[in-house]
Amino acid sequence: QSVLTQPPSVSGAPGQRVTISCTGNSSNIGAHYDVNWYQQLPGTAPKLLIYGNTNRPSGVPDRFSGSKSGTSASLAITGLQAEDEADYYCQSYDSSLSDWVFGGGSKLTVL
Amino acid sequence: QVQLVQSGAEVRKPGASVKVSCKASGYTFTSYAIHWVRQAPGQRLEWMGWINAGNGNTYYSEKFQGRVTITRDTSASTAYMELTSLRSEDTAVYYCARLVVFPMSNWFDPWGQGTLVTVSS
Repeated sequence: QSVLTQPPSVSGAPGQRVTISCTGNSSNIGAHYDVNWYQQLPGTAPKLLIYGNTNRPSGVPDRFSGSKSGTSASLAITGLQAEDEADYYCQSYDSSLSDWVFGGGSKLTVL
Repeated sequence: QVQLVQSGAEVRKPGASVKVSCKASGYTFTSYAIHWVRQAPGQRLEWMGWINAGNGNTYYSEKFQGRVTITRDTSASTAYMELTSLRSEDTAVYYCARLVVFPMSNWFDPWGQGTLVTVSS
């Protein structure tokens, strides 16, 4: 069972917008620890997508954006493309566990 | 460019141990921590522990305490993760990742390519 909760799957048609939620608690996201997002394409290692809640590394298209409020965070993807099909993981730090923690992952399907 | 390259796939019998390496390049190895994360087939990412590559201090997730040892060789810019008393549930891809630290924030970047460890009799 993951400390951070994500929907197992999300889907959208090409060109549409989808959001992926990440819900934590007062020991992690709600304790003001930043949320990061990673994209994992099939058969590959995770890749940093969003860091520090809202920031994109160079090379990541501005179709990807992150936000955080209270004990939750969200990843939004606009203008969906077939190449966006992947698993997406949120990640933060949990002070009660003293561990870095991940969400369960959300599989994005582009219809 | 900053890169982490891991050792190749391993097959072990239950009860055995495995040691996975993670060679860093493109940055000053001792200036960053290396973390280890595993992913069982079709499952989520699971954080295991980390090492301060500068002073060698380590911290392990309670789940793996007593079975995992993370070390480093600064002369080789390489970190190692050894897992003992292997069981079938340890079959997974093991990743190393560099932790980038900023004031009030940190994130994993980059990740190694992953090492598949298969535990089977």
